[in-house]
Amino acid sequence: DTAVSQTPKYLVTQMGNDKSIKCEQNLGHDTMYWYKQDSKKFLKIMFSYNNKELIINETVPNRFSPKSPDKAHLNLHINSLELGDSAVYFCASSQDFRGGRAGETQYFGPGTRLLVL
Amino acid sequence: GNSVTQMEGPVTLSEEAFLTINCTYTATGYPSLFWYVQYPGEGLQLLLKATKADDKGSNKGFEATYRKETTSFHLEKGSVQVSDSAVYFCALSDSGGNKLVFGAGTILRVKS
Repeated sequence: DTAVSQTPKYLVTQMGNDKSIKCEQNLGHDTMYWYKQDSKKFLKIMFSYNNKELIINETVPNRFSPKSPDKAHLNLHINSLELGDSAVYFCASSQDFRGGRAGETQYFGPGTRLLVL
Repeated sequence: GNSVTQMEGPVTLSEEAFLTINCTYTATGYPSLFWYVQYPGEGLQLLLKATKADDKGSNKGFEATYRKETTSFHLEKGSVQVSDSAVYFCALSDSGGNKLVFGAGTILRVKS
């Protein structure tokens, strides 16, 4: 069974469209994340949710809206897509480590390759 | 803020060569340090980690030692294989632990 899964794997769309990427984890983790990887492979966190509560929002444009219907799912909705949104988006999850437990491993999904034309 | 600096790639080696990928960090407090690997077309996988100074992480023949005095976490492997070709990311999580800060990644190419 895949631990962290994302759909779709590839997404090609026109500028101005609205699209969603879905993420599910079956590891029983409390915390989930979205990362963006640009064309130079640089990875940066976008959002983090703990048990459906937003805990990190890294100055991402408000066209990006994460939604967590339950702690096993964290979806990413993007409005009014722009050329610069083309990237690979990775979902990840980890156990809750608030309270000072550092060093928790994050488990990554396979990525969604978004191309905006 | 926290940051991670990795040596630029690509690094091209022949099979069985010795590998070093340098990683240094800037952080307040006592971060945990990680190496993640991304094989072509795949997501990231944890390769190894260390959570306190002088800890050595190791996995699949790779190892790295958390050096607080030099703020470094260099990745080494004694004999690389073609199957090690991938992108390697050094990362840290701070003492709050809630997010990973990644280096820019180093592409490794191993030739047979």
